[in-house]
Amino acid sequence: DVKVTQSSRYLVKRTGEKVFLECVQDMDHENMFWYRQDPGLGLRLIYFSYDVKMKEKGDIPEGYSVSREKKERFSLILESASTNQTSMYLCASSSGRAQYFGPGTRLTVL
Amino acid sequence: AQRVTQPEKLLSVFKGAPVELKCNYSYSGSPELFWYVQYSRQRLQLLLRHISRESIKGFTADLNKGETSFHLKKPFAQEEDSAMYYCALINAGNNRKLIWGLGTSLAVNP
Repeated sequence: DVKVTQSSRYLVKRTGEKVFLECVQDMDHENMFWYRQDPGLGLRLIYFSYDVKMKEKGDIPEGYSVSREKKERFSLILESASTNQTSMYLCASSSGRAQYFGPGTRLTVL
Repeated sequence: AQRVTQPEKLLSVFKGAPVELKCNYSYSGSPELFWYVQYSRQRLQLLLRHISRESIKGFTADLNKGETSFHLKKPFAQEEDSAMYYCALINAGNNRKLIWGLGTSLAVNP
């Protein structure tokens, strides 16, 4: 079974803070993804990575950056958190077509 | 443009009734389609993919290229089927990214 874990289930931060969300997968997958999930808006891709140190912007990269220093780990960074970044953040990994998801991190920015 | 459309935000049926969650897509080429499901407080998980042509938890979905549809069907809905369902399409030009519908929330009433 593919195991994708995320560092926190719930996170509360203040406006302007730097926020790190961590994702780890144990299946040696090349591809990793960060999404945000909001009611009525579905899943929106923030960034993805297809190899170590490689990244590509998704549909809504503004206000976010990512880091992939090791194959199993993909970090999402909010440089200066804002209230409109309050959301559920989902990490996923894949070796081909189907993606496998972590449990999500519900981030609240006050 | 490549797009996945799930026309119903919410679908409500009674236990034992047939259920069909609609998915239409716009794509030029040979798509691969998926259905994902998210039960309450659980992670998003792959339900089925069209190339597998299998039945999972009593659900089936057939790719209809003429109608560009991939509707999810189950002959007798159960209360435990209540969940959010997402249809997704692989981008064959870049087979790493999924294109997602906005999701349909299925409520199966007793």
